Amino acid sequence: GENVEQHPSTLSVQEGDSAVIKCTYSDSASNYFPWYKQELGKRPQLIIDIRSNVGEKKDQRIAVTLNKTAKHFSLHITETQPEDSAVYFCAAKGEGLTGGGNKLTFGTGTQLKVEL
Amino acid sequence: GAVVSQHPSRVICKSGTSVKIECRSLDFQATTMFWYRQFPKQSLMLMATSNEGSKATYEQGVEKDKFLINHASLTLSTLTVTSAHPEDSSFYICSANQGAWGTDTQYFGPGTRLTVL
Repeated sequence: GENVEQHPSTLSVQEGDSAVIKCTYSDSASNYFPWYKQELGKRPQLIIDIRSNVGEKKDQRIAVTLNKTAKHFSLHITETQPEDSAVYFCAAKGEGLTGGGNKLTFGTGTQLKVEL
Repeated sequence: GAVVSQHPSRVICKSGTSVKIECRSLDFQATTMFWYRQFPKQSLMLMATSNEGSKATYEQGVEKDKFLINHASLTLSTLTVTSAHPEDSSFYICSANQGAWGTDTQYFGPGTRLTVL
């Protein structure tokens, strides 16, 4: 099955700096890579996603890059703000012909802290 | 759009009782729903995939007789924790795929915090 590794586990940046979180995956058939933000006690919120036919996607201060050859993808947050502080999870989805093929494998999470 | 609700948000029960958690897609039909378990400061662990009108697919190590899943309609899936024990205390979160198979995005419910005394 799919295995997703995520680094770093914690990340502290100064407000206004950039933050980068990296993930690697094991299944070369994986074709969808979402990123979720989870605040304490709340639901994971989709912040950006990328599919395997695209190398980069950007949405305002957030961008995701994908390197299929190396099987890794990264989340980039620019001009960080205190409200960006949360746990971020990457995930990967493989192919499949049943509902089970839609399942996501999550990384272990990164606790991002944006300091004033 | 794409709102998923869960009920209850918090439940405290005695050891040995059963607890039912509901997951609803409010503004779309979900052919597939997923149930996750999350321990404090840990990642989401998939427990099972719930397909409307068919039996759920459980992940390895998850007891199907312990965690009963029913997906009776395109907008409702339920998870019943049977004979709950303190080690079942956790944050349970559901998610749903919008639309037919092939749609990638999963939308999460707000979660249910279960505490078994």
